[in-house]
Amino acid sequence: GAGVSQSPSNKVTEKGKDVELRCDPISGHTALYWYRQSLGQGLEFLIYFQGNSAPDKSGLPSDRFSAERTGGSVSTLTIQRTQQEDSAVYLCASSIQGRGYTFGSGTRLTVV
Amino acid sequence: GENVEQHPSTLSVQEGDSAVIKCTYSDSASNYFPWYKQELGKRPQLIIDIRSNVGEKKDQRIAVTLNKTAKHFSLHITETQPEDSAVYFCAASISSYKLIFGSGTRLLVRP
Repeated sequence: GAGVSQSPSNKVTEKGKDVELRCDPISGHTALYWYRQSLGQGLEFLIYFQGNSAPDKSGLPSDRFSAERTGGSVSTLTIQRTQQEDSAVYLCASSIQGRGYTFGSGTRLTVV
Repeated sequence: GENVEQHPSTLSVQEGDSAVIKCTYSDSASNYFPWYKQELGKRPQLIIDIRSNVGEKKDQRIAVTLNKTAKHFSLHITETQPEDSAVYFCAASISSYKLIFGSGTRLLVRP
């Protein structure tokens, strides 16, 4: 596609429920990244995919967080048993190696 | 791992004045330094980047400088305009993978 697409744009969920966030990167971009941005804060690295493999998962905050990527394209970030501290904007980005990222518009997650 | 510090956290300038935002990084192996602009409620967008084999890069009113020895890099915006008001993030990485971002600078350009 023309840009990085994320869905849903907004998600309100009850504490303890699982959520899935989706990212559809730019076609041909082999690298895909997930970041988290809390209100008024910086960008916290979560996980990086090269193709379908994740060579760096070091930013995932806990084992409640997982992500996968299939077909070298769409990625899903799953948060199990959501907590209020998980509330943030989750940003996905994709790139061709050696170039800067293109970010999606993000998913604003609110855990109530 | 890499750590990026960014200063100042907020910056207010008069329209037409220059603005400078500074970042330092910790990993001497870092070789790619992009800058992103994030307007309120929108996605971060790449505005300029520099690689470690270059000391300075300019694009119209925006310039970035890099001092590899001191592990400093800076964003310079000249002739600021109200539409430059946004949050600016610096970042550093090795080979453009896994950007580590600074904490951001909120720039306000007063008309």
